[in-house]
Amino acid sequence: EPEVTQTPSHQVTQMGQEVILRCVPISNHLYFYWYRQILGQKVEFLVSFYNNEISEKSEIFDDQFSVERPDGSNFTLKIRSTKLEDSAMYFCASHRGVQGTDTQYFGPGTRLTVL
Amino acid sequence: SQQGEEDPQALSIQEGENATMNCSYKTSINNLQWYRQNSGRGLVHLILIRSNEREKHSGRLRVTLDTSKKSSSLLITASRAADTASYFCATDGGSFSGGYNKLIFGAGTRLAVHP
Repeated sequence: EPEVTQTPSHQVTQMGQEVILRCVPISNHLYFYWYRQILGQKVEFLVSFYNNEISEKSEIFDDQFSVERPDGSNFTLKIRSTKLEDSAMYFCASHRGVQGTDTQYFGPGTRLTVL
Repeated sequence: SQQGEEDPQALSIQEGENATMNCSYKTSINNLQWYRQNSGRGLVHLILIRSNEREKHSGRLRVTLDTSKKSSSLLITASRAADTASYFCATDGGSFSGGYNKLIFGAGTRLAVHP
């Protein structure tokens, strides 16, 4: 069964460094998302992406964040200059694009630790 | 305002018992979904119920939706130790402003099933 994959599974970085989190959505899906979950808290929406552009973003998704679909398969989240509070689990999700009958499928997540 | 608030926050039961988790939300929705998360792992989609549906079954899972009360419940029957996880409801916000909506998650119910 097709699934969303994410790499790496765990990323440790120093404060102020740039990180790129990678996702491969399900191949025939059209909508892509990033969410994050700070330890012990709820899952929060960051950004949605469709047709090679951002369709919606949350207040969390400030100028330090960017997303890209550099080729036909990858979807990346870049954090330009990481802060301690960026430590969280980051989930990528994709949606087939069929209204009302389908759901978002989530990857296993990347645990980001900022020291 | 919070969307998708679950209760109870934590639930501890014995194997074989039924587990019921509730979710309330504030805005209109197109659908409501339940996800499961094992500790520190990814989100696994369990079931989606549309706003025009009242009840849905999948194996040992039964989901109800009451749009007049803006609430949903997830029932796991004949629970097993392997059902131990956090369970989240997620709503889609109800509007279709140019794409497929972000999911808004509740804080989750931590279910512990003891052998």
